[in-house]
Amino acid sequence: EAQVTQNPRYLITVTGKKLTVTCSQNMNHEYMSWYRQDPGLGLRQIYYSMNVEVTDKGDVPEGYKVSRKEKRNFPLILESPSPNQTSLYFCASSLGAVEKLFFGSGTQLSVL
Amino acid sequence: QKEVEQNSGPLSVPEGAIASLNCTYSDRGSQSFFWYRQYSGKSPELIMSIYSNGDKEDGRFTAQLNKASQYVSLLIRDSQPSDSATYLCAVNPTGGYNKLIFGAGTRLAVHP
Repeated sequence: EAQVTQNPRYLITVTGKKLTVTCSQNMNHEYMSWYRQDPGLGLRQIYYSMNVEVTDKGDVPEGYKVSRKEKRNFPLILESPSPNQTSLYFCASSLGAVEKLFFGSGTQLSVL
Repeated sequence: QKEVEQNSGPLSVPEGAIASLNCTYSDRGSQSFFWYRQYSGKSPELIMSIYSNGDKEDGRFTAQLNKASQYVSLLIRDSQPSDSATYLCAVNPTGGYNKLIFGAGTRLAVHP
């Protein structure tokens, strides 16, 4: 089954404790992206990747890191999480940046 | 001014009626437009894409694009309670071949 797998589904952590949210797709998509979704603000792009070892900032990259060492994986790293990073995070992949996006099931992150 | 604007709703329509969802965008050079549906607690899924002025129909859904007015809409005919969800408008901005800008979404409630 074609899918984007994101883990964990829920995460509660404390300020400053490094965390990683994993994302993996099995559709051989070149494009992958991370979004955060906040009430009233919609989906905002954090980082995206056009291919292996090619990543770039989206609209809200501060406080986040990504890597793309393999085509299928695109982890999101918060090195020192802060409460303003409490949000719902989605990973997405597609054949191209403006093709149909396939979303993961989301990660609800709470930073205390 | 937000780049992609939607009325947050809720838009309440009776079962069987036509639901009309609207979206305006600020970048006049935008070329690609998408409607995603997001059920509560779920990830977004693409339901329509439109690239040229006019109407595009797919089953009960019709997307309408008017580039001169910077306006894109989604009509849902014969609305069903299962259509109750948040509908996200997404726009590919000028030169933004790597990104989509999402609106905050309109919540649709179809009541029996």
